[in-house]
Amino acid sequence: GNSVTQMEGPVTLSEEAFLTINCTYTATGYPSLFWYVQYPGEGLQLLLKATKADDKGSNKGFEATYRKETTSFHLEKGSVQVSDSAVYFCALSDGGAGGFKTIFGAGTRLFVKA
Amino acid sequence: NAGVMQNPRHLVRRRGQEARLRCSPMKGHSHVYWYRQLPEEGLKFMVYLQKENIIDESGMPKERFSAEFPKEGPSILRIQQVVRGDSAAYFCASSPRSSQGSETQYFGPGTRLLVL
Repeated sequence: GNSVTQMEGPVTLSEEAFLTINCTYTATGYPSLFWYVQYPGEGLQLLLKATKADDKGSNKGFEATYRKETTSFHLEKGSVQVSDSAVYFCALSDGGAGGFKTIFGAGTRLFVKA
Repeated sequence: NAGVMQNPRHLVRRRGQEARLRCSPMKGHSHVYWYRQLPEEGLKFMVYLQKENIIDESGMPKERFSAEFPKEGPSILRIQQVVRGDSAAYFCASSPRSSQGSETQYFGPGTRLLVL
């Protein structure tokens, strides 16, 4: 079945450091890929998405490229801020008969130190 | 445009009681999804509903859990005879009818259920 694997956390970085959170997926067909962010005590917010191979999603300085050849969708940011501290979830939506249910990775907690 | 609304935000129940969680999708959205998040884990799909229909309940436990999305009013996730293992955050998401094949789901703030 479809699945998402992302790097385990927590990831601890200093402010202005470069961020990479790895995400790989297994899917039949051509899923859409997403990154969601969850701040403490809150629900999930869509950060960015990509719907087909080689698409790059970007938002708030974050970006991720849909790589079909490596089945990956790694999240990157060139310079993190303290306010980026949160849990990041990689996800896919398969768009099949199941009605686009979203399958999530386990999440990666990011701590950014001032 | 109000986002997805869930209530209550926090719910405390004793073992054996019933929990009812409500979700009002975004205006114009007719698809509702329920997810459960256990502490320090990702979200797990439970059920997908459209108005008056359950489309996919493959993630729902076979007993004690039920969901509905009536023609009028919010979607309800009901947990009967709660046990401590039901303690979790329950998130609802909604999406519009989309022909583009890449529906984005919009999440509510969640209901955090604590079973004592």
